[in-house]
Amino acid sequence: DTGVSQNPRHKITKRGQNVTFRCDPISEHNRLYWYRQTLGQGPEFLTYFQNEAQLEKSRLLSDRFSAERPKGSFSTLEIQRTEQGDSAMYLCASSLVGWETQYFGPGTRLLVL
Amino acid sequence: GQQLNQSPQSMFIQEGEDVSMNCTSSSIFNTWLWYKQDPGEGPVLLIALYKAGELTSNGRLTAQFGITRKDSFLNISASIPSDVGIYFCAGRGTGTASKLTFGTGTRLQVTL
Repeated sequence: DTGVSQNPRHKITKRGQNVTFRCDPISEHNRLYWYRQTLGQGPEFLTYFQNEAQLEKSRLLSDRFSAERPKGSFSTLEIQRTEQGDSAMYLCASSLVGWETQYFGPGTRLLVL
Repeated sequence: GQQLNQSPQSMFIQEGEDVSMNCTSSSIFNTWLWYKQDPGEGPVLLIALYKAGELTSNGRLTAQFGITRKDSFLNISASIPSDVGIYFCAGRGTGTASKLTFGTGTRLQVTL
């Protein structure tokens, strides 16, 4: 399968703990995006990378959130000191520069107890 | 965050019927995309539109990019049970912004 992959698919954590998610984009795609989706809503943009550079961050991305793409391939999204309001589906997407079509992974569903 | 206005919110139709849904924005978009999402999964791309007025088909699906660049619609003909799911429109704005802004979704239920 050469699509976008995300790990883990599900994560249950206690409030205050740190969590990290991984996204592997389609191999030749140089843009990578993170979105968050809560129940009954469409995905909302968090941040995106072009190669290893983080080019845009949403105001939704509080200082407890950090994303990296150190080698321009896979990316990680870390949430520190999780809160119950962080419970959501975290989606990763990738695309090629010049092509605006974004392909999504299956998501990581986070539940903070 | 901002979400596009998508209607209807939900539809209950019989197998074989045609379906129409639309999406409107107060902002101009350069690209419109339509996705389908099944429970617990990520959105799957259905159709991409890149020019105002463009009409594109993908099997039983047809989508159009509105002339004003502020709206788009999706039609599904002869619906089948596997069409069940949530359909999202998404737009990419002008300028250098690469992010997508999504609609609120249309939940489609198909009865036999």
